[in-house]
Amino acid sequence: EAGVTQFPSHSVIEKGQTVTLRCDPISGHDNLYWYRRVMGKEIKFLLHFVKESKQDESGMPNNRFLAERTGGTYSTLKVQPAELEDSGVYFCASSLLRGNYGYTFGSGTRLTVV
Amino acid sequence: KQEVTQIPAALSVPEGENLVLNCSFTDSAIYNLQWFRQDPGKGLTSLLLIQSSQREQTSGRLNASLDKSSGRSTLYIAASQPGDSATYLCAVSSGDMRFGAGTRLTVKP
Repeated sequence: EAGVTQFPSHSVIEKGQTVTLRCDPISGHDNLYWYRRVMGKEIKFLLHFVKESKQDESGMPNNRFLAERTGGTYSTLKVQPAELEDSGVYFCASSLLRGNYGYTFGSGTRLTVV
Repeated sequence: KQEVTQIPAALSVPEGENLVLNCSFTDSAIYNLQWFRQDPGKGLTSLLLIQSSQREQTSGRLNASLDKSSGRSTLYIAASQPGDSATYLCAVSSGDMRFGAGTRLTVKP
């Protein structure tokens, strides 16, 4: 089966610009998660979708971040306007069921805000 | 709130050595624990998944143990190789997954 796909793999944008990251989960995985790792820190949870619904968005840092999952398939994470501290690697993961199943991660999108 | 700690933060060993990476977590009410490997500039590769009812999992030269009551897991790597050099991440799932900061392993030829 195809894995979790993220696009783009790298993005360099200027402060104040907008960037949209995309994640295609494994087909049939209702659970989709966004995580990010900023320089020197651990990977942190951002939010969790079950199908098209946001189950938990407690990790979203502020209202400059907007995640969507229209139709319960792929998801997008938009950062608008981007700030320097948003630089990091954004990971997406999916799982078949929440809880007792492992997560499959994508390769991540490395975002650099200059 | 679940907190995950990994010790050591970095480890350098000569090729052929057996080594142990440690992970501890504060809330023992977990569904599972997963060990990942991350290579520079790459994504996360799942190595081992231990369900909360299990004590250990093995894959090749890797063995992971779980002691849920004490909030600890170890990843044992036997006969280390230079290709094992990477950052190893421990993550626990209590519904949502929480990560440790990782152990950066260097295996010298």
